[in-house]
Formats: sequence, structure tokens, C-alpha cells
Amino acid sequence: AQTVTQSQPEMSVQEAETVTLSCTYDTSESDYYLFWYKQPPSRQMILVIRQEAYKQQNATENRFSVNFQKAAKSFSLKISDSQLGDAAMYFCAYRSALTGSARQLTFGSGTQLTVLP
Amino acid sequence: DTAVSQTPKYLVTQMGNDKSIKCEQNLGHDTMYWYKQDSKKFLKIMFSYNNKELIINETVPNRFSPKSPDKAHLNLHINSLELGDSAVYFCASSQGVLEGYEQYFGPGTRLTVT
Repeated sequence: AQTVTQSQPEMSVQEAETVTLSCTYDTSESDYYLFWYKQPPSRQMILVIRQEAYKQQNATENRFSVNFQKAAKSFSLKISDSQLGDAAMYFCAYRSALTGSARQLTFGSGTQLTVLP
Repeated sequence: DTAVSQTPKYLVTQMGNDKSIKCEQNLGHDTMYWYKQDSKKFLKIMFSYNNKELIINETVPNRFSPKSPDKAHLNLHINSLELGDSAVYFCASSQGVLEGYEQYFGPGTRLTVT
């Protein structure tokens, strides 16, 4: 079974600064997908960024980028130019890409990000 | 236009009652899910379902049962509610044919059992 570990329960960053959230995972599969989801106080789950394991290039979405290290099974999220609206719980998630596999997400325990004005 | 909707958003009930949470998606997706988020914010899959296959997480008590009247709906029925069932329940959907596509989540239902 796959596991996802987020070792930072809480992080804080000054507005306009950069912060990196860590995520490691354990799997014996070679093909899979990794995601970062954001959950603000409204509790809505919002997809921030997605990475396919077969792609070597790190995904980027505006101020959000990932550092995907497949051999190390590491998938960190970098938020640049942090904004007050970035304050939320961030979840790292894994999904198998095997044909016929269950398509559910396996989540890490989350990192609560505070943005300081 | 709400992609994935859940009703109700809040549900307060007493131990021993039976309750249902409804979920509807208007995205044309063929796979739907139920997740449970506990008081420590940990999210865990309960069920995944498409019109061919129901996959149940083995840790889910059989008091919980998903029911799908059609492809756009996956309701969650809970019998004999217990205090430990208090949590936020999320419905989600994805297009299974297009592997890797994101799951779209509903707004969640906060269930409180007293």
C-alpha cells in the first residue's frame, strides 16, 4: 500500500516571500500521479498542481511549482510571492496509474500554512 | 454552476439514527468517491464507484453503504450512527477514462453525532 508523509504540520511565511512544503511518499509502482490540494477555511478542496510521474519536468502553475524527485520519492511544493489568500491546509496526494487500479487518492496528513502580513 | 454538490452541508443527529448524505455531479464523470475527514483533518477514502465496480475500503464499517441511483449521483447511507462517525464527508468525482485527471470535490458535509 502506498503512503504519503507530510512532516511539517505547520508552516508560516511572510507575505511576498517564498515557502516550500515537503512531501514524501512510498510506493513500489513506477507510474503514478501526485497532487497538491489546498483546503482553505471554507473546507473546499482545491487542486493546486498535478505531476505525472513519467514526466521529468517539474510542474508549474503561476506562483506554484513542484520539485519532483522520483528516485528520492519526494514531491515538494514551492509557493512564490506568498499572498494572504494562500493561507490554508495543504495536502499532498498520490494516485496509482495502473490500469484497473482503484483511482482513489491517498493523502498526507496536511500542512497548515499561515501567511503573515 | 456547481460541479459537485452535496446536501446537506451540516447534519446534526443523535446516536443510533440512520441518515443519508446526497451527492450529485454535473460533469459527466463516470467515477465517484466518498472520503472522510476526521477531526485531525486526515482524509481517507471510503468508497470509489463507477457503473461497473464498487471498491470499498476494508476499514469502513458495514453501517456505511453507498447507493448510486444513476451515474450522476452517489449517496451515502449511514445506519446506527455512532459518536465516532462525526467528521466531514466529501464526495468527489473524476473521469476514469482519462487517467490522471483531477478529482473534483464537493463542499463537504459536516456530520455531528450527539
